[in-house]
Amino acid sequence: DTAVSQTPKYLVTQMGNDKSIKCEQNLGHDTMYWYKQDSKKFLKIMFSYNNKELIINETVPNRFSPKSPDKAHLNLHINSLELGDSAVYFCASSQAWSHQPQHFGDGTRLSIL
Amino acid sequence: GQQVMQIPQYQHVQEGEDFTTYCNSSTTLSNIQWYKQRPGGHPVFLIQLVKSGEVKKQKRLTFQFGEAKKNSSLHITATQTTDVGTYFCAGDANAGKSTFGDGTTLTVKP
Repeated sequence: DTAVSQTPKYLVTQMGNDKSIKCEQNLGHDTMYWYKQDSKKFLKIMFSYNNKELIINETVPNRFSPKSPDKAHLNLHINSLELGDSAVYFCASSQAWSHQPQHFGDGTRLSIL
Repeated sequence: GQQVMQIPQYQHVQEGEDFTTYCNSSTTLSNIQWYKQRPGGHPVFLIQLVKSGEVKKQKRLTFQFGEAKKNSSLHITATQTTDVGTYFCAGDANAGKSTFGDGTTLTVKP
């Protein structure tokens, strides 16, 4: 069983559309994250949730809205997609919110046409 | 805010040569983690260092944490083609927020 799974794996859509990416972890971890990795491979944290509560909210356009229905799930909704949103989005989880290794999903490659 | 700088950004080596990537933080870290991302893959946790001056080894990989806990290095001895990928350090200064370095992408020529 995959520990951290994201869907979809690929997402190709047009500018202005709204899309969602889902993430689920079956590791029993308390903390989940969303990262954005651009074409230069820079890995930037966007959000972090601990037990369904938002604990990290980096400078991200408010078109991006995370939602954690329970501690095993963290979804990411993006409104009014822009060309600059093209990237690979990684979900990750860790056992606790500090000093713990992070387990990453396979990533969602988002391409905006 | 906390900054974690990693150098070099790219490194090309001949198979069998050694490789080192360096990570420097603007603030003292409580711990540092290293990850490897294969081309087309996702970051995979390699190791965590916690103590000042700590050195850990994993086969051909040697990880060091500086005495002041502001820098770290990853050294690979006798690189192989399976070592290709991007290596990231991630420093944790403020609990709950690990800051990733920009990564070092290693290519190995057979």
